[in-house]
Amino acid sequence: GQQVMQIPQYQHVQEGEDFTTYCNSSTTLSNIQWYKQRPGGHPVFLIQLVKSGEVKKQKRLTFQFGEAKKNSSLHITATQTTDVGTYFCADDTGRRALTFGSGTRLQVQP
Amino acid sequence: DAGVIQSPRHEVTEMGQEVTLRCKPISGHDYLFWYRQTMMRGLELLIYFNNNVPIDDSGMPEDRFSAKMPNASFSTLKIQPSEPRDSAVYFCASSFQGGYTFGSGTRLTVV
Repeated sequence: GQQVMQIPQYQHVQEGEDFTTYCNSSTTLSNIQWYKQRPGGHPVFLIQLVKSGEVKKQKRLTFQFGEAKKNSSLHITATQTTDVGTYFCADDTGRRALTFGSGTRLQVQP
Repeated sequence: DAGVIQSPRHEVTEMGQEVTLRCKPISGHDYLFWYRQTMMRGLELLIYFNNNVPIDDSGMPEDRFSAKMPNASFSTLKIQPSEPRDSAVYFCASSFQGGYTFGSGTRLTVV
């Protein structure tokens, strides 16, 4: 089945530094969704990208969908300790059921 | 809105026992999903329903697992008999359009 690969698996940054996680697929992605899961918590929906080349922003978060719809990225500008958690991308493969990437765990040093 | 409600939050059971996990989706959501999360395998889709009808159960590990959705406001995931390798966090999520809303999960430990 389709696999969605995320890199890096883990990143440790100093507060104020930027952070980026990448989501890659060997096949064309249908729609990309991004989720954040705090330690001990549950995944929380952040955003959905549908169109090729789409860019969306939520305050310090910038989400991009690749032109070929085979990759996506989440960039956080000037990280804060509240950004700590695991960020997942997920593809609905066109059938409404999400296949999740392996996630990128972000640690922010104050 | 109380969100997706799962019970119990924690369950510790002995190998061989039956375990039933419960989920109440958000009213009006027409899709319901059961996921399992482990360190080794990440978030795995087990089964999902549309308008109470199971659509795809290919992710259910084996016959020991079963899920039902008798009405739009309730679903169960049952494991019988349970095994230590079933230990994980089980999430229920519901959706209408777009993103999922996840419940807080049930942490299952089988000893």
